[in-house]
Amino acid sequence: DAGVIQSPRHEVTEMGQEVTLRCKPISGHNSLFWYRQTMMRGLELLIYFNNNVPIDDSGMPEDRFSAKMPNASFSTLKIQPSEPRDSAVYFCASSLNVPYSPLHFGNGTRLTVT
Amino acid sequence: AQSVAQPEDQVNVAEGNPLTVKCTYSVSGNPYLFWYVQYPNRGLQFLLKYITGDNLVKGSYGFEAEFNKSQTSFHLKKPSALVSDSALYFCAVGYNTDKLIFGTGTRLQVFP
Repeated sequence: DAGVIQSPRHEVTEMGQEVTLRCKPISGHNSLFWYRQTMMRGLELLIYFNNNVPIDDSGMPEDRFSAKMPNASFSTLKIQPSEPRDSAVYFCASSLNVPYSPLHFGNGTRLTVT
Repeated sequence: AQSVAQPEDQVNVAEGNPLTVKCTYSVSGNPYLFWYVQYPNRGLQFLLKYITGDNLVKGSYGFEAEFNKSQTSFHLKKPSALVSDSALYFCAVGYNTDKLIFGTGTRLQVFP
C-alpha cells in the first residue's frame, strides 16, 4: 500500500500564475477529500468526492479554485489565478465510502505564492 | 452548530509521565470521534476512533481515549509518554455526513 500520493511536495509560484496540485488516492478508496492547512485557519475542508462525483464544495474559497476527479485514481486541485493568501499546505485524503471510515492523508503540497 | 474544541495549544510532559490531550465537542445527535497525529512535514495519521459501545477506546502507539457523553469530551491519554510522541494532535468529530470537523490541534512536547 503506497498510501495517498501528492505532487509536487513543494510549489513556489508568482502571483497570477496557475497552480495545479495532484493527488492519487489509495487504490480501492472511493471517497477523496481536499484540505488546506494554515496557521491562522487550521485545517479546512475544501471539497470532497464520492465515486468521482463532487459532493460538497462549500469550502472552496472562491471561483479561482476548482477541483476535478476524472477517474478513481486521480484528482487535481487548480488555482487560477493564484494569490499570496493562497499560500498554505494542501492535503489530499482518501477513505472507503463506508460510515466512520478513517481518512488517509497524503504528505501534502506546500504552496508558496509570492 | 457542530464544533470541536481543543482548549490547549500546547501540552508539555516529561518522558515516562502520563499525558492527556483534551477535546470537547458539540453536535446534535450521536457523534463519532477521531484522533489524528501529525508529524513535521507529514499528513495526518489516524490514531483511534469512537463510534459506539465501550467508552474507552484503544488505538495505535499505546494511545487511548475516553468518551464521556455527559461532559461531551473525548480526551486522548497515554500512561507513559515517549519523546517520539512529540507531534501535533487533532481531534475530529463527525455526525451524520461524510464530513469531519477538526479541532485546531494541540502540540504535544515530551521532554527527556
